[in-house]
Amino acid sequence: SAVISQKPSRDICQRGTSLTIQCQVDSQVTMMFWYRQQPGQSLTLIATANQGSEATYESGFVIDKFPISRPNLTFSTLTVSNMSPEDSSIYLCSVGTGADNEQFFGPGTRLTVL
Amino acid sequence: GENVEQHPSTLSVQEGDSAVIKCTYSDSASNYFPWYKQELGKRPQLIIDIRSNVGEKKDQRIAVTLNKTAKHFSLHITETQPEDSAVYFCAASRSGTYKYIFGTGTRLKVLA
Repeated sequence: SAVISQKPSRDICQRGTSLTIQCQVDSQVTMMFWYRQQPGQSLTLIATANQGSEATYESGFVIDKFPISRPNLTFSTLTVSNMSPEDSSIYLCSVGTGADNEQFFGPGTRLTVL
Repeated sequence: GENVEQHPSTLSVQEGDSAVIKCTYSDSASNYFPWYKQELGKRPQLIIDIRSNVGEKKDQRIAVTLNKTAKHFSLHITETQPEDSAVYFCAASRSGTYKYIFGTGTRLKVLA
């Protein structure tokens, strides 16, 4: 399966600031996604990162808060904007390859907002 | 909206015993059901999946069963070992969409 990396692995940020998280894959993939995992909780899909077009956001998530870029088939970024302590979570990217529905996750970015 | 219920939320078993985790989904069009294992501080790892055209799939000590009529599926781990201790998530999706609805997770503890 594809090798997926994320940067940074963790960060501590002040409220009101923004953080951009990078997701890099070692091969071209069709689908890339961003998830949020709040402490002790399940995974919630934020958006599908579309190559060459605007991301598709799930209910409850908006572009102004979570702008996403996907300039090519191996890279995507998620920005968490104007952060508050409620944004403290693990943010994970995942990729889907080929015709099957299988998704593979990156190592995650642990974000703490003070 | 669509949802996936997962039970139990926590499960403790003695080493060598079996563990069963159950999920129920609401979207009757779902036809792909993966299971992920997430160890503490690690990423979720796909451990097994099943598609709606089969009722059961097995991989060594892990098996998954699917009942489409009842819209539920289960993960079975036999001969549990301490390294099986983790949080397990089920999910449901429609083929081709990649959109997963995750269950709430089950924290499995295997006691040595």
